[in-house]
Amino acid sequence: DQQVKQNSPSLSVQEGRISILNCDYTNSMFDYFLWYKKYPAEGPTFLISISSIKDKNEDGRFTVFLNKSAKHLSLHIVPSQPGDSAVYFCAASPYNNNDMRFGAGTRLTVKP
Amino acid sequence: DTGVSQDPRHKITKRGQNVTFRCDPISEHNRLYWYRQTLGQGPEFLTYFQNEAQLEKSRLLSDRFSAERPKGSFSTLEIQRTEQGDSAMYLCASSPPGLASPNEQFFGPGTRLTVL
Repeated sequence: DQQVKQNSPSLSVQEGRISILNCDYTNSMFDYFLWYKKYPAEGPTFLISISSIKDKNEDGRFTVFLNKSAKHLSLHIVPSQPGDSAVYFCAASPYNNNDMRFGAGTRLTVKP
Repeated sequence: DTGVSQDPRHKITKRGQNVTFRCDPISEHNRLYWYRQTLGQGPEFLTYFQNEAQLEKSRLLSDRFSAERPKGSFSTLEIQRTEQGDSAMYLCASSPPGLASPNEQFFGPGTRLTVL
């Protein structure tokens, strides 16, 4: 059961522009949402998270937005840099539950 | 290197053989997770340890899969009687104590299993 969905397998943007990666979920019990970044031959690396009591969390160039009513979250990267090129995974879990569900990932390519 | 390490990085085996993978978490992390990732998919949660206690194992894929963490440090994941469908990347992650909700998990580089 695909409880976390990333419907865009790939995204290409120009350096300096905004990258917007989207994620939808179906389980209303999810309370905690995370984004991970993965480079080839490495494990995923934690990027940013947000709990359901917030609708926005910002960390430098990265901002995550949460729309609970739409069961949708997005990751904004501004400005995008070539080093941001990677696969980005959205993940979610209920609070105090370590069973984290991942989306299939979106491959971001930032062109110089 | 103080990150999560996994051994081996690659494993090729024949169908029906048993395989065992090892994960060494970051030393002060008491939580350890195993995931499986197949091509084109995100990591799929398998099991979770807090110290030596296996607190969640219902997501293990079948009774051919088992995991241990006998001393609360390193962990092993064993697959018995491997099948071609077991071919995947097996990821281990760890996280520090003190957080009630899942948070930043530190992933190892994974073990890629190929079953011929």
